Amino acid sequence: QLQLQESGPGLVKPSETLSLTCIVSGGSIRSHYWSWIRQSAGKGLEWLGRVYISGSNNYNPSLQSRVTMSVDTSKNQFSLKLSSVTAADTAVYYCARADGDHDYWGQGILVTVSS
Amino acid sequence: IQLTQSPSSLSASVGDRVTITCRASQGISTYLVWYQQKPGKAPKLLVYAASTLQSGVPSRFSGSGSGTDFTLTISSLQPEDFATYYCQQLGGYPLTFGQGTKVEFK
Repeated sequence: QLQLQESGPGLVKPSETLSLTCIVSGGSIRSHYWSWIRQSAGKGLEWLGRVYISGSNNYNPSLQSRVTMSVDTSKNQFSLKLSSVTAADTAVYYCARADGDHDYWGQGILVTVSS
Repeated sequence: IQLTQSPSSLSASVGDRVTITCRASQGISTYLVWYQQKPGKAPKLLVYAASTLQSGVPSRFSGSGSGTDFTLTISSLQPEDFATYYCQQLGGYPLTFGQGTKVEFK
């Protein structure tokens, strides 16, 4: 059974970079697309982008200049970096498998942006 | 592509038939999925390709539609179905979600 687990700091200061990792277990990270999605009270579910091992990434234009996603096949994990964060980036962040629909999700990690 | 769900919330009783609609701002063929989310949990995939039930999802759930208008139906609401339901379009980037429909106990 495929399992995903987000990890990273739960508190990030404004203007700093949010960095999260999603560890994939029970299956290979190869040959699949992987997404990051966040959920905040004010904006509901927001798709941030998806990543593939080839570097063929798609990002949400609303975050284009601030977001970077990458895959580490040696550790079977993928990551999200979101720069210049503000309070508006406070949300629960989910990672998910993204071969079209999102059929496997992590449990989510709450990231609060505050000084 | 914007998705508009209706209603935003509804109250229903066990055994009721429940219908949730999702309208896309432009045609997306059948590139639409439905998720169920319970408090504190990640969304769970229910339906993909507009009408195909994900493995393990009870048959009381069904999806239909194509183009711009889609429907999720629960034929006989069960206690475990009280949750928030979201549609998501996969027809164009960025992928987008509807605002959600909360199904509450009447």
